[in-house]
Amino acid sequence: DTEVTQTPKHLVMGMTNKKSLKCEQHMGHRAMYWYKQKAKKPPELMFVYSYEKLSINESVPSRFSPECPNSSLLNLHLHALQPEDSALYLCASRPDRVSNQPQHFGDGTRLSIL
Amino acid sequence: AQRVTQPEKLLSVFKGAPVELKCNYSYSGSPELFWYVQYSRQRLQLLLRHISRESIKGFTADLNKGETSFHLKKPFAQEEDSAMYYCALNTEKNTGFQKLVFGTGTRLLVSP
Repeated sequence: DTEVTQTPKHLVMGMTNKKSLKCEQHMGHRAMYWYKQKAKKPPELMFVYSYEKLSINESVPSRFSPECPNSSLLNLHLHALQPEDSALYLCASRPDRVSNQPQHFGDGTRLSIL
Repeated sequence: AQRVTQPEKLLSVFKGAPVELKCNYSYSGSPELFWYVQYSRQRLQLLLRHISRESIKGFTADLNKGETSFHLKKPFAQEEDSAMYYCALNTEKNTGFQKLVFGTGTRLLVSP
């Protein structure tokens, strides 16, 4: 399995809802990333996990809460989001900090906040 | 500031014409640069990275430190090259986290 799989593909939620985005990879990668991509804009880094520990938080609002329960799985918990949070959320992974390998991206979850 | 600039939002060429997608960067030190491509309804894929110096799908890119550029080139464009192209800079080379900053992207449209 050489893919990063993200679920759901689409999500519509209200501002008071709580939902989660899921990212899974079975390539043995130990570095995982969340990006946000607004329409017609480039991806922007949100979080980096390395060996299941949060290593980089790009000053993301606390209504986004990442979690890495094991080496294959990365979650992004969402609560009390705003309409401006509507975007494509991308997950990526790479082997680890030491390797020279690039990031592999998933297809993303398209999130709409009503 | 560490940043990537892609000056063209859209580049429109005819099939068989040469293509050059521009990318300039700002980085103190030796940069690590990538080109990613996003075809319609597909995931972001790595096209090239400067350290590998390989040619993928006929595309090449050379790092020019004097001009702080990493332009993407192809001698003869094909219709299937139509896509969004992003240049990206690793702003944390020393930590190993590969923190990427992307340019705003250039949409390449190849007409028959």
